[in-house]
Amino acid sequence: DVKVTQSSRYLVKRTGEKVFLECVQDMDHENMFWYRQDPGLGLRLIYFSYDVKMKEKGDIPEGYSVSREKKERFSLILESASTNQTSMYLCASTINLAYEQYFGPGTRLTVT
Amino acid sequence: TQLLEQSPQFLSIQEGENLTVYCNSSSVFSSLQWYRQEPGEGPVLLVTVVTGGEVKKLKRLTFQFGDARKDSSLHITAAQPGDTGLYLCAGEPQTGANNLFFGTGTRLTVIP
Repeated sequence: DVKVTQSSRYLVKRTGEKVFLECVQDMDHENMFWYRQDPGLGLRLIYFSYDVKMKEKGDIPEGYSVSREKKERFSLILESASTNQTSMYLCASTINLAYEQYFGPGTRLTVT
Repeated sequence: TQLLEQSPQFLSIQEGENLTVYCNSSSVFSSLQWYRQEPGEGPVLLVTVVTGGEVKKLKRLTFQFGDARKDSSLHITAAQPGDTGLYLCAGEPQTGANNLFFGTGTRLTVIP
């Protein structure tokens, strides 16, 4: 059974903290994505990676960075968390853009 | 950004009723995917449509891709409580981008 796992389901952080969200997939996919999901806005792409050490900005990269040191792992970093980054964060992977994206269960991050 | 607008944003219906969800854009897509997301989980792929005018059926769900490949619809016949969830469309751009563009989402509640 294919799987995308995320390090935390719920996370509460304070303003200004550095936050790491980890995502691991076991399908040997080249492409991995980080989205944030807010009511009425659907899924908005933060960053994606199409290979190890490769990354591309999505639609809303400001305030975020990413790391992909190994094929199976894609990390999202909030350098200095702010309250407007309170959201649901979803990681996904796919073998090809035309094919299915497999999603993790999400991390609900609250920044106070 | 290639915008995909979904309507309605919220839909609450009685069990046994029929419904249609729309996904519209001014952009042309190579393919379009529909996902369903249940509370506490990531989105899961329902179907991919590729050809303009294509109609796909998945039990009580009927998906249609517009002739011009700019829009799509999802029709559910005799809705059941198990259909409750967030429905998302996602378009694969014709050229350029290396990621899907997700719609704004339709939250469906089917009341027993």
